[in-house]
Formats: sequence, C-alpha cells, structure tokens
Amino acid sequence: NAGVTQTPKFQVLKTGQSMTLQCAQDMNHNSMYWYRQDPGMGLRLIYYSASEGTTDKGEVPNGYNVSRLNKREFSLRLESAAPSQTSVYFCASRPGFTQDGNTIYFGEGSWLTVV
Amino acid sequence: GDSVTQMEGPVTLSEEAFLTINCTYTATGYPSLFWYVQYPGEGLQLLLKATKADDKGSNKGFEATYRKETTSFHLEKGSVQVSDSAVYFCALTENQGGKLIFGQGTELSVKP
Repeated sequence: NAGVTQTPKFQVLKTGQSMTLQCAQDMNHNSMYWYRQDPGMGLRLIYYSASEGTTDKGEVPNGYNVSRLNKREFSLRLESAAPSQTSVYFCASRPGFTQDGNTIYFGEGSWLTVV
Repeated sequence: GDSVTQMEGPVTLSEEAFLTINCTYTATGYPSLFWYVQYPGEGLQLLLKATKADDKGSNKGFEATYRKETTSFHLEKGSVQVSDSAVYFCALTENQGGKLIFGQGTELSVKP
C-alpha cells in the first residue's frame, strides 16, 4: 500500500538553486495537488491537476512550476529557490470521479530549507 | 471564493475532558467536508468526513455533523487522551476534481 509517495523527504538548497519535488500515486487517481505548509498558515494550495493533461494555479503559485507527467506522477519545480520557499511541501491525490471521489490522500511531506 | 475558518489554537485540555473544535465554511454548491489530523513530524491523515447535509462522520471517538443551515462542521470528542495531541485541519472540497480548501489548523495539547 504505497499510496502517495514524495521524494525527497528532506532537502537543503542554496538561494538561486533549482530542484524538483517528485510525487507519484499508485491509486489510479485523477486529481493531484501540491500544498505548502507554514506555521500559523495551514495548508496553501500551490498548483493542482484536476485530471491528466491539465494543471491550474492555486493560491500561491509564484516561484513554482508543475508537470503532470502522466496519470501517476505530478512534479513541482522550484526554478530559483528563495528563502521564502522554506516550507513543508505535501503532495495529495484524489479519485475525482468515483463514489469516493472526494477523499483526499496525502504523502508524508518534503521538508525544504533554502539558505 | 470558498473558505474554511477554524477556531484558533492552541487548545489545551486535561485528559478525559470534552473536546470541541469549531469549523465553519463558505461555499457555493454542495461541498464535502473533512477533518484531517497531523501528528508531530508526520503528514496529514483523514480522520473523518461527511459528504452531504446532516451526515455525521465518526472515527476513533471523534464525531462531526455536516450542518448546512449553520455552515458548520464542528469536531467533538467526549473524552480526549494524551495521544490525541496533534494539529487538526478542517477542509472542504469543491465538486469532483476541484480545489481542496483547508482551514488554518488547530493545535490540540492534552495533558495527563
């Protein structure tokens, strides 16, 4: 039961470096999401993909890009990391079009520090 | 746009006390409502959910009822344990495949 798998779990970047957070789900879900979690601010949606082949901006998309590589995989890229992007990142997925379509499943999180 | 508002924390209770964490929402249409729990250093786990008005979600002694008339989904537990210490998030989903909206989270600390 892998569910939603994120890599890496921990990463330290220097300002200006780029990196990609990988996310894969093995539940045949249609919708996938990237959130960031910061103290006192809950979870904020960065980007989402309602279905394979589509992506949309969420609440805080600036500084990020995403790719829905296929139905399983949804990656988040930081092109030029900034200290303000220090956060915990969560990938999530959701069936979207089934009886249980609204239940959200989360990965374990990726702790990113930009120095 | 759609939004979720939770009571501010931290909430500190003694073991076996009654817990209520308030959650209200604004939404167009008919969202599904969720409570998620996050233990220290871990990801979010689904605690319970309700998909239509008057539904009651329950799990591990926690309950919440989807109240459309008051746009609320308050979380309750009759007797909390130290192991319930965590951050609790209320959330709603738009229609199939749409955005997921979270409240800011409420930290619960239960003392022995």
